[in-house]
Amino acid sequence: SYEVTQPLSVSVALGQTARITCGGNYIGSKSVHWYQQKPGQAPVLVIYRDNNRPSGIPERFSGSNSGNTATLTISRAQVGDEADYYCQVWDSSAWVFGGGTKLTV
Amino acid sequence: QVQLVQSGAEVKKPGSSVKVSCKTSGGTFSKFPISWLRQAPGQGLEWLGGIIPVFTSAIVAQKFQGRLTIAADEGTNTAYMELSALRSDDTAVYYCARGNEMGTISSFLDYWGQGTLVTVSS
Repeated sequence: SYEVTQPLSVSVALGQTARITCGGNYIGSKSVHWYQQKPGQAPVLVIYRDNNRPSGIPERFSGSNSGNTATLTISRAQVGDEADYYCQVWDSSAWVFGGGTKLTV
Repeated sequence: QVQLVQSGAEVKKPGSSVKVSCKTSGGTFSKFPISWLRQAPGQGLEWLGGIIPVFTSAIVAQKFQGRLTIAADEGTNTAYMELSALRSDDTAVYYCARGNEMGTISSFLDYWGQGTLVTVSS
């Protein structure tokens, strides 16, 4: 079955740029979606189809996907961005999630 | 606006079954996919399966085949998941979520329920 891998944790200084990766075999050929989850809350979609932001998500959130790595980039990181982030792809009639990355600002 | 409201927390004995409901409002129910996911304590997200209500038949992740039933009632705009033969490692928060595109379960999830804690303990 298809697997996607994320770093367990990423730290970023306030106001700097955080990059969270999602690795998978030829993941660049798939659509990748990203979710933010804060403690005790349901996940929230922050990027869909590699690089699209839903309404209400700040422009500071962006995504890219090429080769074997998809990346969620958070510019000008804020304390409120601290959360777990999950990437998601569809493969072989099933949703596959990365293990999640804890972002610390 | 679209809202998904799930049923309340459950405590179950090992070997029993649990049924969780997900009532939707504010949108077209029958053609948008509903997925079920879970999150064990301190763990990541795991997809269980999904259904497009108008099509009635569900897709169930291989890991849960034979143990998970997913259904939908168009009359009440409610989706259900029932997990049987519960074990302690089924203890988790269970979420329903709606896919963005009509007619395909493989669309990203843009609306989520609040989650239902299912605790399996003897």
